[in-house]
Amino acid sequence: GAGVSQSPSNKVTEKGKDVELRCDPISGHTALYWYRQSLGQGLEFLIYFQGNSAPDKSGLPSDRFSAERTGGSVSTLTIQRTQQEDSAVYLCASSLVSGTADTQYFGPGTRLTVL
Amino acid sequence: RKEVEQDPGPFNVPEGATVAFNCTYSNSASQSFFWYRQDCRKEPKLLMSVYSSGNEDGRFTAQLNRASQYISLLIRDSKLSDSATYLCVVKGRRTYKYIFGTGTRLKVLA
Repeated sequence: GAGVSQSPSNKVTEKGKDVELRCDPISGHTALYWYRQSLGQGLEFLIYFQGNSAPDKSGLPSDRFSAERTGGSVSTLTIQRTQQEDSAVYLCASSLVSGTADTQYFGPGTRLTVL
Repeated sequence: RKEVEQDPGPFNVPEGATVAFNCTYSNSASQSFFWYRQDCRKEPKLLMSVYSSGNEDGRFTAQLNRASQYISLLIRDSKLSDSATYLCVVKGRRTYKYIFGTGTRLKVLA
């Protein structure tokens, strides 16, 4: 079946512009995560959605970052007034149920370059 | 101290060799453990979960040592296609957060 999809796969933008990154999780997966991975670094947790519960935004690095999940499915990560340090790969993952040892399935990521 | 620590490597090994990686974690309440594989410029993919009694999947064996708070991954008969970064992932019992190590890079040489 279809896996997690993300779009765009690559995004080049100028400093100060806003960008929107999209994630389409596996159908039926209630948990959705956004991570950021800078070159040669580990995955940095950004935000977590679970069903209709309030999201955990504790990993968002600044108020320029926001995310929403509509209808419990597709999620959008928005970065306003992008900075060069925002350049990274943004990965989305989904899992069937959270709070257990369920496997996370990752999308291919969006490679963001801020010039 | 990082919550999950791994030797970044690289581990350069010849084809057919056996190689082992360790990963230490700081939270003794951690309950779930995984190894993910990440190829260059690709997303992480689950290699195997790590069970308390240890588990094996073909050439791959994972072990958990709760007393010393580390997990290990053993790869036997290394193949060129095993070249990748191996990520250690730890999760607590009542949390949804998965904590990722920075990964150990493996290069299998012909």
